[in-house]
Amino acid sequence: QQQVKQSPQSLIVQKGGISIINCAYENTAFDYFPWYQQFPGKGPALLIAIRPDVSEKKEGRFTISFNKSAKQFSLHIMDSQPGDSATYFCAASYGNTNAGKSTFGDGTTLTVKP
Amino acid sequence: DAGVTQSPTHLIKTRGQQVTLRCSPKSGHDTVSWYQQALGQGPQFIFQYYEEEERQRGNFPDRFSGHQYPNYSSELNVNALLLGDSALYLCASSLAPGGGSGANVLTFGAGSRLTVL
Repeated sequence: QQQVKQSPQSLIVQKGGISIINCAYENTAFDYFPWYQQFPGKGPALLIAIRPDVSEKKEGRFTISFNKSAKQFSLHIMDSQPGDSATYFCAASYGNTNAGKSTFGDGTTLTVKP
Repeated sequence: DAGVTQSPTHLIKTRGQQVTLRCSPKSGHDTVSWYQQALGQGPQFIFQYYEEEERQRGNFPDRFSGHQYPNYSSELNVNALLLGDSALYLCASSLAPGGGSGANVLTFGAGSRLTVL
């Protein structure tokens, strides 16, 4: 049973455009929703994260939108750059004592064309 | 400030063999979690070690075992290797569970890529 579903599988965006990646979750106990960025040959790196008590969080060009009632959250990358080309993973975890046990989506490969 | 270091970076084994992967956590972190990332998929949680004990475990068979040392470094052992064990094995470190919001923030290493022939 996949508890976090991510779409699209791949995404091609022109430089300067907006990249949008979506995730849906099933377990309502989840209370921490991070996004990771992974470059080839590297491990995932935390990009931005949100908790369900807020509907939006912005850090620079990256924004998470969160819809608790729909059990969905999304990553928006504004002014996308070729250096943003990477694989992006959404994830979810719950409870402070369960911290570290994250459930990941299957990833979105983003290509930003110059 | 050294991040999470893993070794070896690549290794090739044959079916039935055993493998040990090693991880040193980020400075200041005392908890280590291991993940398996198959090609084209997201990481899957294997288990977590804190205070030298396995604290949480994902849906992996007993062939997967681990250890944490007093210096917080950790090992992942896989016995009786199967072709399906071929994957990137990721180590992530964090603060202790129950220790505040920092416990959710995972710092990943670059991984050990295991190929089973």
